[in-house]
Amino acid sequence: AQTVTQSQPEMSVQEAETVTLSCTYDTSESNYYLFWYKQPPSRQMILVIRQEAYKQQNATENRFSVNFQKAAKSFSLKISDSQLGDTAMYFCAFMKHGSSNTGKLIFGQGTTLQVKP
Amino acid sequence: DADVTQTPRNRITKTGKRIMLECSQTKGHDRMYWYRQDPGLGLRLIYYSFDVKDINKGEISDGYSVSRQAQAKFSLSLESAIPNQTALYFCATSDTGGRAYNEQFFGPGTRLTVL
Repeated sequence: AQTVTQSQPEMSVQEAETVTLSCTYDTSESNYYLFWYKQPPSRQMILVIRQEAYKQQNATENRFSVNFQKAAKSFSLKISDSQLGDTAMYFCAFMKHGSSNTGKLIFGQGTTLQVKP
Repeated sequence: DADVTQTPRNRITKTGKRIMLECSQTKGHDRMYWYRQDPGLGLRLIYYSFDVKDINKGEISDGYSVSRQAQAKFSLSLESAIPNQTALYFCATSDTGGRAYNEQFFGPGTRLTVL
């Protein structure tokens, strides 16, 4: 069975600074997807970034980038130039790839990020 | 209009009551999912459905049942609500398999409180 662990329940960062959220996972699969979701106070789940495990290059989306270390089973999210609107809970998630993919997402516990002015 | 809607958005009920949470989608997706969010636990899968006749249990299905009334509608029922079912409930949809990856789209969530 797959597990996803986020060991930082809460974090804070000053506006315009950079912050990194940590995520580790456990799986015996060789091919899979990893995600970071953002949940602002509105409760809406918003996909921030996706990484395919077979791709060595780290995914980036504007101010958001990941550090994917497959051997270490680590998947951290870096937010650059933090903005007040980045204040939210962030979830790391895992999904199997290919024919065994039922579309099920396995989520971590979440990290609450507060961006301070 | 939102692609994935959930009703009600908030609900307070009493122990032992039957309650239904509804999800509708206009995305034309075949797959639908129900998740539950608890503090410190993240989101966990309750049930999922690949089409109207294909419904599967997730990791925490005890105490819940579902109905896929149509491709666009997927309801979650608590037959006899208990306080530890107090949580935030999300519906999600995704397109048919066959591709390696199909993004899930989430509804706005239903906050359920069982007293």
